[in-house]
Amino acid sequence: DVKVTQSSRYLVKRTGEKVFLECVQDMDHENMFWYRQDPGLGLRLIYFSYDVKMKEKGDIPEGYSVSREKKERFSLILESASTNQTSMYLCASSGTAYYGYTFGSGTRLTVV
Amino acid sequence: ILNVEQSPQSLHVQEGDSTNFTCSFPSSNFYALHWYRWETAKSPEALFVMTLNGDEKKKGRISATLNTKEGYSYLYIKGSQPEDSATYLCAPHPGNTGKLIFGQGTTLQVKP
Repeated sequence: DVKVTQSSRYLVKRTGEKVFLECVQDMDHENMFWYRQDPGLGLRLIYFSYDVKMKEKGDIPEGYSVSREKKERFSLILESASTNQTSMYLCASSGTAYYGYTFGSGTRLTVV
Repeated sequence: ILNVEQSPQSLHVQEGDSTNFTCSFPSSNFYALHWYRWETAKSPEALFVMTLNGDEKKKGRISATLNTKEGYSYLYIKGSQPEDSATYLCAPHPGNTGKLIFGQGTTLQVKP
């Protein structure tokens, strides 16, 4: 089975901290995605990547950056965490788009 | 941004009831539609991928239909069980991109 692993299940950070959320997949997928999920808003795309060192902004990239130095790893970076970035963050990967995504188990980030 | 609407937002039913939800999406530039089930504390799990107008897919007590001309899909659960309690997400996949666009989800609670 494809596995997408997110490094932390729960994370508490202080306002202004730089935060790294890590995601690793083990099926050689080209595409990787970062979403956040908030009540009533569904899954919103932050950034995605089609290949190593390639990245594209999603619908809500402000306050975030990403890094993809290796095919299997896609990192989401909060340069200076703010309380409005408190959310559930989901990473996903996919090979061919037809087969959809495989998701990680999510990281619930609280910024205090 | 592609507008994906799911209704109802939440649903509470008794064990044994049958239920259905709706996903509406723009019919232009359609490529495929995905349904996911997301149980609390778990990763979203793929249920179906559908591409053809009139498609019908079935997995146990859960089935889905697709109308690409009018831009909607229905998900049916026959004889709901408590283990069906989850958030059900639909995600159309526009033809010109590898991204899925997620609806807000329908949260189903099945009472024993």
